[in-house]
Amino acid sequence: ETGVTQSPTHLIKTRGQQVTLRCSSQSGHNTVSWYQQALGQGPQFIFQYYREEENGRGNFPPRFSGLQFPNYSSELNVNALELDDSALYLCASSLKAIETQYFGPGTRLLVL
Amino acid sequence: AQSVTQLGSHVSVSEGALVLLRCNYSSSVPPYLFWYVQYPNQGLQLLLKYTTGATLVKGINGFEAEFKKSETSFHLTKPSAHMSDAAEYFCAVRSGGTSYGKLTFGQGTILTVHP
Repeated sequence: ETGVTQSPTHLIKTRGQQVTLRCSSQSGHNTVSWYQQALGQGPQFIFQYYREEENGRGNFPPRFSGLQFPNYSSELNVNALELDDSALYLCASSLKAIETQYFGPGTRLLVL
Repeated sequence: AQSVTQLGSHVSVSEGALVLLRCNYSSSVPPYLFWYVQYPNQGLQLLLKYTTGATLVKGINGFEAEFKKSETSFHLTKPSAHMSDAAEYFCAVRSGGTSYGKLTFGQGTILTVHP
């Protein structure tokens, strides 16, 4: 059974650029949640996708957007990057929207 | 709204000593509670969870936690620390009954284990 995978592992962008992060959910899981973890902080909920629809959203601006595909993999898109967007982005998958979440290794984004 | 407070951003113990990491939560509905561990440059690994039923829950690597509703606490313990336990630990709460699974995390506690 394959766990949650994320790509790329590291990414460097400049302010104002756009970035796409990818996540493959664990086999059999139809829900993906995204979190942002700034240095020295706990993860913060960005949004969740369930069966290809956004199912809940945290306190993040609209320039953070996402997609979920029919195979339940997901993308996180961030437009107009800001320096404060530098963080570890974590993806978690679960069997259903309210079930236990299992995390991937994360993508570390640095915005210069 | 839910919130989590982890008391002590850093905890240091000797190998073989008791590990106690404190977590208090605030939730307007019966909570589901989790402990995750994060090793350097890695994602989060689930240690244990409380949903309903028995208030003392056992997890992986010899960790356990007790849900105390009256104290709104979910402290993590391990009787004997091992060097490999050195990591950052996060307590999280999800409110039962919501239609989506938003986890609210504490700030984390870094555990150092001395030989």
